[in-house]
Amino acid sequence: EVQVVESGGGLVRPGGSLTVSCAASGFSISDTHMTWVRQAPGKRLEWVSAVHTDTNTYYADSVKGRFIISRDNSKNTVDLQMNSLRHEDTAIYYCARVVPKSAGWVPFDIWGHGTTVTVT
Amino acid sequence: DIQMTQSPSTLSASVGDRVTITCRASQSLNNWLAWYQQKPGKAPKLLIYKASTLEYGVPSRFSGSGSGTEFTLTISSLQPDDFAAYYCQQYDTYPWTFGQGTKVEIK
Repeated sequence: EVQVVESGGGLVRPGGSLTVSCAASGFSISDTHMTWVRQAPGKRLEWVSAVHTDTNTYYADSVKGRFIISRDNSKNTVDLQMNSLRHEDTAIYYCARVVPKSAGWVPFDIWGHGTTVTVT
Repeated sequence: DIQMTQSPSTLSASVGDRVTITCRASQSLNNWLAWYQQKPGKAPKLLIYKASTLEYGVPSRFSGSGSGTEFTLTISSLQPDDFAAYYCQQYDTYPWTFGQGTKVEIK
């Protein structure tokens, strides 16, 4: 079964750090871009970060300079290291894949169940 | 950043109704536009990508159309399983952005 599973969420103090992880199975992340999307309670979805197959990384302005995304193709995992956490980072963090195809990308076709980060 | 605006924010409809949700982008997207369905407590589900391509396994009552800056998601005959929130998302330019969502409620 093709799936991703997030882990590592929890309670953290403002200014603290936390790393959330995404473990993929049923496919190789070396073939796909991987992203993190978050959703604060009652709010819209917010794209957070992406790491492409060529290891180039991209960040939302709200997390740039504080979060670091990385991939380990050998372990089939993607991590999001979150530093200098703020109250407004409180959200469910979802891992999702983006499949690059010749006719264009297929965005976010596989999502995990999410992991909850609470900054309090 | 590209701003995505959906309308309406809430929609009340009955089973069997034809439902249309609109998404407007602040600049042209070259059709790199996706639609997602999200039910309470669940992760979003991809419905449509590249503005009008139906994701594998999604019922054919869902369709997407539009180009440039204006796009629509249409549900041809609303089913009980379709009551949910729907989001558009542009993946033309980083940072990728989502609309604020449209909640489809039972009338």
